This record gives sequence, C-alpha cells and structure tokens, in this order.
Amino acid sequence: GENVEQHPSTLSVQEGDSAVIKCTYSDSASNYFPWYKQELGKGPQLIIDIRSNVGEKKDQRIAVTLNKTAKHFSLHITETQPEDSAVYFCAASTQTGANNLFFGTGTRLTVIP
Amino acid sequence: GAVVSQHPSRVICKSGTSVKIECRSLDFQATTMFWYRQFPKQSLMLMATSNEGSKATYEQGVEKDKFLINHASLTLSTLTVTSAHPEDSSFYICSARDMSGANVLTFGAGSRLTVL
Repeated sequence: GENVEQHPSTLSVQEGDSAVIKCTYSDSASNYFPWYKQELGKGPQLIIDIRSNVGEKKDQRIAVTLNKTAKHFSLHITETQPEDSAVYFCAASTQTGANNLFFGTGTRLTVIP
Repeated sequence: GAVVSQHPSRVICKSGTSVKIECRSLDFQATTMFWYRQFPKQSLMLMATSNEGSKATYEQGVEKDKFLINHASLTLSTLTVTSAHPEDSSFYICSARDMSGANVLTFGAGSRLTVL
C-alpha cells in the first residue's frame, strides 16, 4: 500500500519568513495530493491540492510543487503570519476523488511574531 | 462549499457505556463517508468506510463489533463506540465527498471522546 512520509515534524519560523514542508510517497499510481491544515481541536481543512498532471499550483501565499519522477511533493508558505500556526498534513491518493487518503505524519508549524 | 457537521464535539462517558457520534453532510449527499481516529500529536488513521445502505468496510485491526457504523441515509453516518474503555479515548473525525461539487474530501470538526 501507499506510504507517505512527511518532514519536518516541527517547524518554527519568524513571522514574514517562508516555510517549506516536504512529503514523499511510495505508490507511483498516486495521482492526487492534497494538503490539510488542522488547528487545535478541529478537523483538517483542505488548503490546496495538486493532481499529477500539474507540476506546481499556487494560491496566494501558498504553493505546492510535485515531482512525480522523484515521488515527492512540497508545501510552500510565504510571508508567514501567526495565524498560519497549525499542524499541516500532506496526503496521497490513487483517485482524484480521494476515496481513500494516505496521510503523512504531520508538521507542527509555529510562526513566531 | 461542502460542509460536514459532526456531533457531539466533545463527550465524556464512563467505562462500559456506549457513545454515538453523528456525521452529517449538510448541503450535499454522500454515498460514502469515512471515519478516522487521531491520537494526540499523531496523524489520522482510517478506521472504516461507511457505505449508504450497506455494511461498512473496516480497516485491518479495527474491531467492527466495537465500532458500529450505520449509514442509514445519504446525509448521515453514525459511529457508535460500544462498551467504551479508557483506551478508546481519542479524537474521531469523519469525512465525506461531494461528488456533485469539487469532488474533494471535506472533514468534520471532530469529536473528542474521553472515557473515564
């Protein structure tokens, strides 16, 4: 089955700096890669996703890149703000509709004001 | 956008009792919903796939008699933790997919179960 690894497990950055979180996956059939933000005591919220026919996608301060050959994808947050502090999860699925997601282990991002 | 409501958000119960958690898709129909369990500072682990009108599909290692799932309508799935024990204390999260919309998974806000 699919195995998703995520690094780093914790990340602290100064407000305004960039944050990068990296994930690798094992199943070359995976073709859908969403990123979720989870705040304390809440469910995960989709912040951005990318499909395998695209190498990069950007939404304001958030961008995701995908390297299918190397089987890794990354989340980039620029101009970080304290409200970006949360746990971020990457995930992979073999279906665009994400019937089943395999989650990474999470990254706790702390943005220091 | 699609909204998934989960209730209750927090529940405390005594050991040996049963607890029911509801997951509702508020503005769309979901033939399939998913139940996850999350321990503190850990990732989400898929427990089971809830199928409307049929039996749920459980992941390996998840006791189906312990975690009863009922998906009686296109907008409601329930998870019942039977004869709960302290080790069942966890954060339970459901998700559903709006196939008529953006076709992505939407998660509920989660339910924190504490078994005394």
